[in-house]
Amino acid sequence: AQTVTQSQPEMSVQEAETVTLSCTYDTSESNYYLFWYKQPPSRQMILVIRQEAYKQQNATENRFSVNFQKAAKSFSLKISDSQLGDTAMYFCAFMKRGGSNYKLTFGKGTLLTVNP
Amino acid sequence: SQTIHQWPATLVQPVGSPLSLECTVEGTSNPNLYWYRQAAGRGLQLLFYSVGIGQISSEVPQNLSASRPQDRQFILSSKKLLLSDSGFYLCAGQGWQTLDTEAFFGQGTRLTVV
Repeated sequence: AQTVTQSQPEMSVQEAETVTLSCTYDTSESNYYLFWYKQPPSRQMILVIRQEAYKQQNATENRFSVNFQKAAKSFSLKISDSQLGDTAMYFCAFMKRGGSNYKLTFGKGTLLTVNP
Repeated sequence: SQTIHQWPATLVQPVGSPLSLECTVEGTSNPNLYWYRQAAGRGLQLLFYSVGIGQISSEVPQNLSASRPQDRQFILSSKKLLLSDSGFYLCAGQGWQTLDTEAFFGQGTRLTVV
């Protein structure tokens, strides 16, 4: 079974600074997707960034980038130039690619607070 | 675009009463569907997932059940609610018509069992 671990229950950062959220996962699969989702106080889940395991290049979306280390099974999220609107719960998620028995598994989340 | 309609948004139910939460999907066919529960301020616990009509996988044995009577309909039920069933319930889906594998979410249901 796949597991996703986020070791930082809470983090804070000053506005305009950079913060990195950690995520590790455990799987025997070689082909899979990894995601970071954001859940603001409205509770609506928003996809931040997606990484396909077969791609060596780290995904980037504007101020958001990942450091994907497949051998170490690590998938951290870096937020540059933090903004007050980045305050939210962030979830790392894993899903096997292909075959059957799909399951989207989330970590427990990291609550990020951006301070003015 | 792919969307999930989930209702109701808020629900207060007495202990021992039945429960039925429903979500319906638009914009894709044959989606994978999921029910998650989120305890106050914490992570998402996968309760059930379904890869097709009538196909339900349960992740955590508990007081709840799920059904998928139609391709785009996913229902979470309980015959008798417990206080511990209180929480925020999210329905999620993934469409496979395109290569887009990201999940899309409903607005959630905040359930309080009193």
